[in-house]
Amino acid sequence: DVKVTQSSRYLVKRTGEKVFLECVQDMDHENMFWYRQDPGLGLRLIYFSYDVKMKEKGDIPEGYSVSREKKERFSLILESASTNQTSMYLCASSAKYEQYFGPGTRLTVT
Amino acid sequence: GQQVMQIPQYQHVQEGEDFTTYCNSSTTLSNIQWYKQRPGGHPVFLIQLVKSGEVKKQKRLTFQFGEAKKNSSLHITATQTTDVGTYFCAEYSSASKIIFGSGTRLSIRP
Repeated sequence: DVKVTQSSRYLVKRTGEKVFLECVQDMDHENMFWYRQDPGLGLRLIYFSYDVKMKEKGDIPEGYSVSREKKERFSLILESASTNQTSMYLCASSAKYEQYFGPGTRLTVT
Repeated sequence: GQQVMQIPQYQHVQEGEDFTTYCNSSTTLSNIQWYKQRPGGHPVFLIQLVKSGEVKKQKRLTFQFGEAKKNSSLHITATQTTDVGTYFCAEYSSASKIIFGSGTRLSIRP
């Protein structure tokens, strides 16, 4: 079974803090993705990576950066958290067309 | 960019009634995927359709891809409480990323 894990289920941070969200997959997938999910807006792609040290912007990359130093790990970084980044963050990985999602991190920025 | 519109946003049905959600695009889709997200859970891949006019069934779920490959539907016959959740359609693009619809949230009266 594919397993995608995320470092935290719930996180509360203050405005201006630097936030790291970690994602690890155990199936040697090349592709990894970060989404945010907000009510009525579905899943919006922030960044994705198709190889180590490679990254591509998704639809809403502003205010975020990513790091992929190892194949199994994909990190999402909020350089200076803002209240409009309060959301559910979902990580996913894929080998081909089917994406496998982690449990999500609910981030609240106060 | 490419957008996949999904309707309705919400559907509330009596247990045992049928349910359908629709996905529409202004441009031709190369494929259509469907995911289910249970309340408090993460999206789980259900199926992918590729061919024009394709119909696939999974028990009480019937998935259709339109002849023009611009729309798709998911129909659930005789809903059960286990069907509760949000259903997303999505298109897998050649860049290994997926564009999601906004989802249809299904709730069921027992």
